[in-house]
Amino acid sequence: EPEVTQTPSHQVTQMGQEVILRCVPISNHLYFYWYRQILGQKVEFLVSFYNNEISEKSEIFDDQFSVERPDGSNFTLKIRSTKLEDSAMYFCASSASRRRTEAFFGQGTRLTVV
Amino acid sequence: AQKVTQAQTEISVVEKEDVTLDCVYETRDTTYYLFWYKQPPSGELVFLIRRNSFDEQNEISGRYSWNFQKSTSSFNFTITASQVVDSAVYFCALSEQETSGSRLTFGEGTQLTVNP
Repeated sequence: EPEVTQTPSHQVTQMGQEVILRCVPISNHLYFYWYRQILGQKVEFLVSFYNNEISEKSEIFDDQFSVERPDGSNFTLKIRSTKLEDSAMYFCASSASRRRTEAFFGQGTRLTVV
Repeated sequence: AQKVTQAQTEISVVEKEDVTLDCVYETRDTTYYLFWYKQPPSGELVFLIRRNSFDEQNEISGRYSWNFQKSTSSFNFTITASQVVDSAVYFCALSEQETSGSRLTFGEGTQLTVNP
């Protein structure tokens, strides 16, 4: 069964460092997303991406965040200068179309900023 | 703006009991989708169901059933004859198709613990 794959599963980084979280969405999906879940809290939308550009972003997704689809398969989230409050689980998701809106999530990357 | 409320923070039941997880939503759109996701202790988010705003038929899938009532803006989830493996955090989510594509707004989640 196709699935969304995220790497790494756990990343520890020092405050101020740049991190790149990687995702391989399901191959025939067209919409890609990043969500964040701070420990013990709800899942929050960060950004959606379609046709090689951001289609929507939340207020959380400020200038320190960026997304990219560098090739036909990978979808990345970059955090330029990490802060302690960026520590969270980051989920990548993909969906087939605007109408087929069920998003399938990856297993998540736990980011710990120290 | 859309909002999802899961008033039950934690529920604890004994195995084989039935349990209902409540979800109430707010939206101004006439076309929207409602979802339930399961987050087991391992942390991943597992898709359970999607419902569109025009389909108020209840749905049953094995021990799972969903009750969608537009009149009360609720989309409740019932697990029949609960099992220990059902222990997880369950999230209800909303997508306002017209205004925000497939962006999901999640509720706070309900931690379900099924005790043997």
